[in-house]
Amino acid sequence: DIQMTQSPPSLSASLGDKVTITCQASQNINKYIAWYQQKPGKAPRQLIRYTSTLVSGTPSRFSGSGSGRDYSFSISNVESEDIASYYCLQYDNLPWTFGGGTKLELK
Amino acid sequence: EVQLVETGGGLVQPGRSLKLSCVASGFTFSSYWMYWIRQAPGKGLEWVSSINTDGGSTYYPDSVKGRFTISRDNAENTVYLQMNSLRSEDTATYYCAKEGNPWGQGTLVTVSS
Repeated sequence: DIQMTQSPPSLSASLGDKVTITCQASQNINKYIAWYQQKPGKAPRQLIRYTSTLVSGTPSRFSGSGSGRDYSFSISNVESEDIASYYCLQYDNLPWTFGGGTKLELK
Repeated sequence: EVQLVETGGGLVQPGRSLKLSCVASGFTFSSYWMYWIRQAPGKGLEWVSSINTDGGSTYYPDSVKGRFTISRDNAENTVYLQMNSLRSEDTATYYCAKEGNPWGQGTLVTVSS
């Protein structure tokens, strides 16, 4: 199984900051990574697929990049509505595997 | 409006069975692969199962293989998850999803004596 090492587990940011979350796969995942946002008590919402493609409705302050084993997800100009947990998912190989998550909090 | 609505969760004893349903609306259900993902209380996300558009191909992680069965009824716009031989570690909120958004609201399954 492909392991997805997501870091950091938690992140504290001020409004307007840029934050970056990384996911490292245990092997090449050929850019088949998606990023999800989950607010407390809510279902996850897909923000980005295939490394950098924004899903319809995703604000442009969200972005993704990477290749091979190393991928990153960024939020520029953090807004209060971005306070949530974020997860990466590799869907290159079965079983699909998620990163452990990053909890974004306000400083 | 795309909607996915899960039902069927509840409290069940270890070793027993439970069947979850997810009714879809607002999109051409038969054109989409469907997925079940779960989240144990306070934990991260775990992919549970996938099914292709006609139901002929299904996929599972080792943690549920042989115990869980995904199926679909394209005439009823519904995907199912039959869960047998349930264990305490299967306790989680189970989400139904398709590619993109939205996911269902989730249904809580609690396995406990």
